[in-house]
Amino acid sequence: RKEVEQDPGPFNVPEGATVAFNCTYSNSASQSFFWYRQDCRKEPKLLMSVYSSGNEDGRFTAQLNRASQYISLLIRDSKLSDSATYLCVVNPSGSARQLTFGSGTQLTVLP
Amino acid sequence: EAGVAQSPRYKIIEKRQSVAFWCNPISGHATLYWYQQILGQGPKLLIQFQNNGVVDDSQLPKDRFSAERLKGVDSTLKIQPAKLEDSAVYLCATRWEPNTEAFFGQGTRLTVV
Repeated sequence: RKEVEQDPGPFNVPEGATVAFNCTYSNSASQSFFWYRQDCRKEPKLLMSVYSSGNEDGRFTAQLNRASQYISLLIRDSKLSDSATYLCVVNPSGSARQLTFGSGTQLTVLP
Repeated sequence: EAGVAQSPRYKIIEKRQSVAFWCNPISGHATLYWYQQILGQGPKLLIQFQNNGVVDDSQLPKDRFSAERLKGVDSTLKIQPAKLEDSAVYLCATRWEPNTEAFFGQGTRLTVV
């Protein structure tokens, strides 16, 4: 089993739609969780950290479910500019220094 | 604040040749990672440094890949000899301290022909 697994995608949604991505992780001792965004042929950039209580940043909401070992990202009112690959990132072993990436989910928002 | 600097941006080499990539982290960032990203996949960790010490190199193909961070600042990643399957983007990322945001450089796109 991979340490971090994501929805395979790709997701093609119309503007204004709500879309959700899930990510599961295998190590129950994982402590830190993040969503990164990667535009085509660019480097990954932090979208948001994921906190135990869940957190929201504008149209983006991240949730953590430790019991089921998954995190989610919800995007409301999708914009064309949201088209990108979304990478789930986990600290897999309890070491605060490590970062393991999922394979990414590609989102295309259509006009 | 200046970002993570990587060079070169692009490199094309023939198989069995050697190549080196360079990374200059954000000032004060003690943790430095090298990742390999093959097209259509997520970044895969090759090696992680804390200052000038190696924290994790378990996924580094040590028969052909090497990396160093001699003074705890700049880092170089070398491949010798290169194989066709090494064609990928090599990303350098740095962090100030655990649980903080990791910042990525723009990467070096390597093509092995």
